[in-house]
Amino acid sequence: GAVVSQHPSWVICKSGTSVKIECRSLDFQATTMFWYRQFPKQSLMLMATSNEGSKATYEQGVEKDKFLINHASLTLSTLTVTSAHPEDSSFYICSAPTRGPGKTQYFGPGTRLLVL
Amino acid sequence: KQEVTQIPAALSVPEGENLVLNCSFTDSAIYNLQWFRQDPGKGLTSLLLIQSSQREQTSGRLNASLDKSSGRSTLYIAASQPGDSATYLCAVSPVGTGTASKLTFGTGTRLQVTL
Repeated sequence: GAVVSQHPSWVICKSGTSVKIECRSLDFQATTMFWYRQFPKQSLMLMATSNEGSKATYEQGVEKDKFLINHASLTLSTLTVTSAHPEDSSFYICSAPTRGPGKTQYFGPGTRLLVL
Repeated sequence: KQEVTQIPAALSVPEGENLVLNCSFTDSAIYNLQWFRQDPGKGLTSLLLIQSSQREQTSGRLNASLDKSSGRSTLYIAASQPGDSATYLCAVSPVGTGTASKLTFGTGTRLQVTL
Protein backbone atom coordinates (compact mmCIF):
# COMPACT_ATOMS: atom_id res chain seq x y z
CA GLY A 1 0.00 0.00 0.00
CA ALA A 2 0.87 3.65 -0.18
CA VAL A 3 3.26 5.09 2.38
CA VAL A 4 3.24 8.41 4.16
CA SER A 5 6.25 9.43 6.20
CA GLN A 6 6.76 12.13 8.78
CA HIS A 7 9.93 13.73 10.01
CA PRO A 8 10.98 14.06 12.70
CA SER A 9 9.31 11.29 14.67
CA TRP A 10 9.82 13.23 17.87
CA VAL A 11 11.21 16.58 18.86
CA ILE A 12 11.93 18.41 22.10
CA CYS A 13 12.33 22.15 21.97
CA LYS A 14 12.46 25.18 24.21
CA SER A 15 9.50 27.46 24.60
CA GLY A 16 9.53 30.24 22.02
CA THR A 17 11.28 28.32 19.28
CA SER A 18 9.76 27.19 16.01
CA VAL A 19 9.49 23.59 14.92
CA LYS A 20 8.96 22.28 11.41
CA ILE A 21 7.33 18.91 10.75
CA GLU A 22 7.42 17.30 7.32
CA CYS A 23 4.83 15.00 5.81
CA ARG A 24 5.73 13.13 2.63
CA SER A 25 3.80 10.83 0.38
CA LEU A 26 6.49 8.41 -0.72
CA ASP A 27 4.98 6.61 -3.68
CA PHE A 28 2.03 8.70 -4.76
CA GLN A 29 1.13 12.32 -5.35
CA ALA A 30 -1.18 14.13 -2.98
CA THR A 31 -2.75 17.45 -3.88
CA THR A 32 -4.35 17.47 -0.45
CA MET A 33 -2.97 16.51 2.92
CA PHE A 34 -4.55 16.77 6.33
CA TRP A 35 -2.92 17.70 9.61
CA TYR A 36 -4.31 16.33 12.87
CA ARG A 37 -3.37 16.88 16.49
CA GLN A 38 -3.85 14.40 19.28
CA PHE A 39 -3.51 15.25 22.96
CA PRO A 40 -2.87 12.45 25.46
CA LYS A 41 -5.80 10.07 25.82
CA GLN A 42 -7.85 12.10 23.37
CA SER A 43 -8.83 11.47 19.79
CA LEU A 44 -7.45 13.06 16.67
CA MET A 45 -8.66 16.54 15.91
CA LEU A 46 -8.32 17.98 12.43
CA MET A 47 -6.25 21.15 12.41
CA ALA A 48 -6.06 22.07 8.76
CA THR A 49 -6.26 20.93 5.18
CA SER A 50 -3.11 21.47 3.17
CA ASN A 51 -3.62 22.20 -0.53
CA GLU A 52 -0.81 21.98 -3.06
CA GLY A 53 -0.14 25.33 -4.62
CA SER A 54 -2.68 27.25 -2.57
CA LYS A 55 -3.39 28.36 0.96
CA ALA A 56 -4.26 25.89 3.65
CA THR A 57 -7.73 25.74 5.13
CA TYR A 58 -7.80 25.88 8.91
CA GLU A 59 -10.42 24.47 11.24
CA GLN A 60 -12.21 26.71 13.65
CA GLY A 61 -10.08 27.60 16.63
CA VAL A 62 -6.75 26.82 14.98
CA GLU A 63 -4.47 29.85 14.64
CA LYS A 64 -3.17 30.03 11.09
CA ASP A 65 -0.36 32.37 12.07
CA LYS A 66 0.85 29.95 14.70
CA PHE A 67 0.58 26.78 12.64
CA LEU A 68 2.07 27.60 9.26
CA ILE A 69 1.40 25.10 6.51
CA ASN A 70 3.23 24.91 3.22
CA HIS A 71 2.32 22.41 0.52
CA ALA A 72 4.94 23.27 -2.07
CA SER A 73 4.95 20.01 -4.01
CA LEU A 74 2.69 17.06 -4.71
CA THR A 75 4.58 14.92 -2.23
CA LEU A 76 5.46 17.26 0.61
CA SER A 77 3.53 19.30 3.15
CA THR A 78 5.15 21.01 6.12
CA LEU A 79 3.65 22.19 9.38
CA THR A 80 5.61 24.79 11.31
CA VAL A 81 4.69 25.44 14.90
CA THR A 82 5.86 28.99 15.48
CA SER A 83 6.87 30.29 18.89
CA ALA A 84 5.98 26.98 20.45
CA HIS A 85 4.69 26.86 24.02
CA PRO A 86 4.19 23.93 26.40
CA GLU A 87 0.49 23.78 25.54
CA ASP A 88 1.49 22.97 21.95
CA SER A 89 3.02 19.72 23.14
CA SER A 90 1.08 17.04 21.34
CA PHE A 91 1.17 14.25 18.78
CA TYR A 92 0.86 15.60 15.26
CA ILE A 93 -0.27 13.26 12.48
CA CYS A 94 -0.68 13.92 8.79
CA SER A 95 -2.70 12.01 6.24
CA ALA A 96 -2.78 12.00 2.48
CA PRO A 97 -5.43 10.56 0.16
CA THR A 98 -4.49 8.82 -3.03
CA ARG A 99 -6.03 10.09 -6.25
CA GLY A 100 -8.44 8.50 -8.67
CA PRO A 101 -11.25 6.02 -8.12
CA GLY A 102 -11.35 4.22 -4.81
CA LYS A 103 -9.04 6.74 -3.24
CA THR A 104 -7.91 5.89 0.26
CA GLN A 105 -6.33 7.96 2.99
CA TYR A 106 -3.00 6.96 4.41
CA PHE A 107 -1.68 8.24 7.69
CA GLY A 108 1.84 9.11 8.67
CA PRO A 109 3.44 7.60 11.80
CA GLY A 110 3.10 10.87 13.69
CA THR A 111 5.45 13.38 15.29
CA ARG A 112 5.56 13.80 19.03
CA LEU A 113 6.36 17.36 20.08
CA LEU A 114 7.41 18.27 23.59
CA VAL A 115 7.87 21.95 24.36
CA LEU A 116 9.76 22.67 27.56
CA LYS B 1 -21.36 19.70 13.77
CA GLN B 2 -20.63 16.00 13.58
CA GLU B 3 -19.77 14.33 16.86
CA VAL B 4 -18.50 10.78 17.13
CA THR B 5 -18.57 8.83 20.38
CA GLN B 6 -17.14 5.44 21.20
CA ILE B 7 -18.17 3.11 23.98
CA PRO B 8 -16.56 1.72 26.03
CA ALA B 9 -13.60 4.03 26.51
CA ALA B 10 -11.50 1.12 27.73
CA LEU B 11 -11.90 -2.62 27.70
CA SER B 12 -9.87 -5.50 29.08
CA VAL B 13 -10.65 -9.06 28.06
CA PRO B 14 -8.92 -12.42 28.34
CA GLU B 15 -7.46 -13.93 25.23
CA GLY B 16 -9.93 -15.83 23.07
CA GLU B 17 -12.99 -13.76 23.87
CA ASN B 18 -15.18 -12.24 21.21
CA LEU B 19 -15.83 -8.55 21.72
CA VAL B 20 -17.80 -5.64 20.33
CA LEU B 21 -16.74 -2.02 20.12
CA ASN B 22 -19.37 0.63 19.58
CA CYS B 23 -19.32 3.89 17.65
CA SER B 24 -22.12 6.42 17.34
CA PHE B 25 -22.33 9.60 15.30
CA THR B 26 -24.80 12.47 15.46
CA ASP B 27 -25.13 13.37 11.77
CA SER B 28 -26.23 10.48 9.57
CA ALA B 29 -25.24 12.31 6.40
CA ILE B 30 -21.95 10.49 6.02
CA TYR B 31 -20.05 9.28 2.97
CA ASN B 32 -18.35 6.43 4.74
CA LEU B 33 -17.16 5.19 8.11
CA GLN B 34 -13.76 3.76 8.87
CA TRP B 35 -12.28 1.83 11.72
CA PHE B 36 -8.63 2.37 12.57
CA ARG B 37 -6.17 0.86 14.95
CA GLN B 38 -3.58 2.96 16.77
CA ASP B 39 -0.71 1.48 18.73
CA PRO B 40 0.80 3.60 21.53
CA GLY B 41 2.74 6.55 20.14
CA LYS B 42 2.18 5.42 16.58
CA GLY B 43 0.14 6.43 13.58
CA LEU B 44 -3.07 4.88 12.36
CA THR B 45 -3.67 1.66 10.52
CA SER B 46 -6.90 1.39 8.55
CA LEU B 47 -8.84 -1.76 9.40
CA LEU B 48 -12.16 -1.52 7.61
CA LEU B 49 -14.03 1.01 5.52
CA ILE B 50 -17.79 0.89 5.09
CA GLN B 51 -19.44 2.98 2.43
CA SER B 52 -22.70 4.64 3.44
CA SER B 53 -24.62 2.31 1.13
CA GLN B 54 -23.14 -0.79 2.75
CA ARG B 55 -24.23 -2.59 5.89
CA GLU B 56 -21.04 -4.38 6.83
CA GLN B 57 -17.48 -5.24 5.93
CA THR B 58 -15.33 -8.15 6.99
CA SER B 59 -11.61 -8.70 7.15
CA GLY B 60 -10.29 -11.81 8.84
CA ARG B 61 -11.42 -11.80 12.46
CA LEU B 62 -12.87 -8.33 12.15
CA ASN B 63 -16.41 -7.46 11.15
CA ALA B 64 -17.78 -3.94 11.07
CA SER B 65 -21.43 -3.07 10.66
CA LEU B 66 -23.08 0.22 9.87
CA ASP B 67 -26.60 1.43 10.61
CA LYS B 68 -26.58 4.88 9.13
CA SER B 69 -30.15 5.73 10.02
CA SER B 70 -29.51 5.20 13.71
CA GLY B 71 -26.02 6.66 13.58
CA ARG B 72 -24.26 3.55 14.81
CA SER B 73 -21.45 1.24 13.88
CA THR B 74 -19.98 -1.75 15.66
CA LEU B 75 -16.63 -3.46 15.30
CA TYR B 76 -16.70 -7.12 16.16
CA ILE B 77 -13.41 -8.85 16.96
CA ALA B 78 -13.53 -12.61 17.08
CA ALA B 79 -11.19 -14.79 19.13
CA SER B 80 -9.20 -11.86 20.49
CA GLN B 81 -5.42 -12.12 20.80
CA PRO B 82 -2.86 -10.15 22.86
CA GLY B 83 -1.67 -8.61 19.58
CA ASP B 84 -5.08 -6.99 19.21
CA SER B 85 -4.27 -4.73 22.16
CA ALA B 86 -4.41 -1.16 20.86
CA THR B 87 -6.70 1.84 20.66
CA TYR B 88 -9.48 1.50 18.12
CA LEU B 89 -10.84 4.61 16.49
CA CYS B 90 -13.83 5.07 14.26
CA ALA B 91 -14.05 8.01 11.91
CA VAL B 92 -16.65 9.37 9.51
CA SER B 93 -16.34 11.48 6.41
CA PRO B 94 -19.10 13.86 5.33
CA VAL B 95 -21.31 13.45 2.28
CA GLY B 96 -20.12 14.90 -0.98
CA THR B 97 -16.43 14.80 -0.37
CA GLY B 98 -15.49 11.18 -0.77
CA THR B 99 -12.80 9.19 0.89
CA ALA B 100 -10.31 11.95 0.43
CA SER B 101 -12.11 14.20 2.83
CA LYS B 102 -11.30 15.30 6.32
CA LEU B 103 -12.39 12.82 8.94
CA THR B 104 -14.13 13.29 12.25
CA PHE B 105 -12.72 10.83 14.73
CA GLY B 106 -14.32 9.18 17.69
CA THR B 107 -12.95 9.24 21.19
CA GLY B 108 -11.44 5.77 20.86
CA THR B 109 -11.63 2.51 22.77
CA ARG B 110 -8.45 1.28 24.45
CA LEU B 111 -8.43 -2.48 24.25
CA GLN B 112 -6.23 -4.77 26.27
CA VAL B 113 -6.26 -8.49 25.65
CA THR B 114 -4.65 -10.43 28.46
CA LEU B 115 -3.08 -13.86 28.43
